[in-house]
Amino acid sequence: ETGVTQTPRHLVMGMTNKKSLKCEQHLGHNAMYWYKQSAKKPLELMFVYNFKEQTENNSVPSRFSPECPNSSHLFLHLHTLQPEDSALYLCASSQERGGGNEQFFGPGTRLTVL
Amino acid sequence: AQTVTQSQPEMSVQEAETVTLSCTYDTSESDYYLFWYKQPPSRQMILVIRQEAYKQQNATENRFSVNFQKAAKSFSLKISDSQLGDAAMYFCAWYGSNYQLIWGAGTKLIIKP
Repeated sequence: ETGVTQTPRHLVMGMTNKKSLKCEQHLGHNAMYWYKQSAKKPLELMFVYNFKEQTENNSVPSRFSPECPNSSHLFLHLHTLQPEDSALYLCASSQERGGGNEQFFGPGTRLTVL
Repeated sequence: AQTVTQSQPEMSVQEAETVTLSCTYDTSESDYYLFWYKQPPSRQMILVIRQEAYKQQNATENRFSVNFQKAAKSFSLKISDSQLGDAAMYFCAWYGSNYQLIWGAGTKLIIKP
């Protein structure tokens, strides 16, 4: 596979469930990102990893927990979510964190919290 | 704080015609980058065009060009010879010293055949 892939593409979960989103990039990039995309709102940056180290956490609630085991993989662990967390979650990667590098996006995971 | 504003929630254009999408931003920095990204329905977000603020020349990519007005903090996207495949959400984004992309809320572009 090429580019940035995300699984699952769709996820429905109850408020008491625990699930994980997975992202994989095949571009040899060193920076990876999680974004939340809600309708008619700007993309919200959640987390940034650069060379496997977390560099940004934009006041994201602790019910979202990221994990970056290597430069190619990024996970977002979810637990006790709220209905307002329903959104499209996008993963992206770039060559590195700085320099205004182009970010390459995955197709997203459409999350619905019941 | 930096902000990006896209004042047109939706635009429509006749196929083969030209359309301009607006974007304004607010920053006190002098060195930054500006981007237009495109998100087609149910497809991945992709970069359309990138502009470095220190370059006075407007960026162009085939049918896509920008009008970058640094003093006015304006960064509009012009799409010439619109095609059905151009239908998408278009997002303007700013990147500066905080190492984060700051996004606008997007403009939905509809192409009328």
